[in-house]
Amino acid sequence: GAVVSQHPSWVICKSGTSVKIECRSLDFQATTMFWYRQFPKQSLMLMATSNEGSKATYEQGVEKDKFLINHASLTLSTLTVTSAHPEDSSFYICSAHGAGGGRGRLAGPTDTQYFGPGTRLTVL
Amino acid sequence: LAKTTQPISMDSYEGQEVNITCSHNNIATNDYITWYQQFPSQGPRFIIQGYKTKVTNEVASLFIPADRKSSTLSLPRVSLSDTAVYYCLDRGSTLGRLYFGRGTQLTVWP
Repeated sequence: GAVVSQHPSWVICKSGTSVKIECRSLDFQATTMFWYRQFPKQSLMLMATSNEGSKATYEQGVEKDKFLINHASLTLSTLTVTSAHPEDSSFYICSAHGAGGGRGRLAGPTDTQYFGPGTRLTVL
Repeated sequence: LAKTTQPISMDSYEGQEVNITCSHNNIATNDYITWYQQFPSQGPRFIIQGYKTKVTNEVASLFIPADRKSSTLSLPRVSLSDTAVYYCLDRGSTLGRLYFGRGTQLTVWP
């Protein structure tokens, strides 16, 4: 199956600093990527939809100025947690649509969505 | 925003077949039914997806009745490594967005 990577896999930072997390689709192009957050013992919560070349779409209750998303290319989306605080400590996971049926075809909403391995953020 | 309902937990023993049922009471006509598996501190892994009847791949089978209001994920002869959280989701009408419910924690015992 398609591969999605994230970097870093874990990060520890001081309160007030900003942290950038990268999400890459390694062997396919992804016009749309998604960012999720997962707290311990809880389910994944969709934060935003990252669209290549346009602004991200945020879910209700997610602060767009706090969680900056940039989708500069068809294989890279970044999430920046600005002025991080301890309550932002969580497991951040990205996903991307795999465009099956050959390169160049845009993935549809029911094409398989592949997830990255996640990034553990700890804010002290 | 999760639209599905599934048991919170299930227990099984190695070598047994496990069936996890999910309710899709609000599934839309163009939604597909998708199942993911998640291990601790890892991203979810796609297991199987279907629209109706039965779908089978190398790891699982998915049974969907005609009314599509439920689905059953069948894992044949589970092993300890199948201990994980399993999520069922409706896909399609939300333009690719996935809204996860609480999932089912499957624990396989030796």
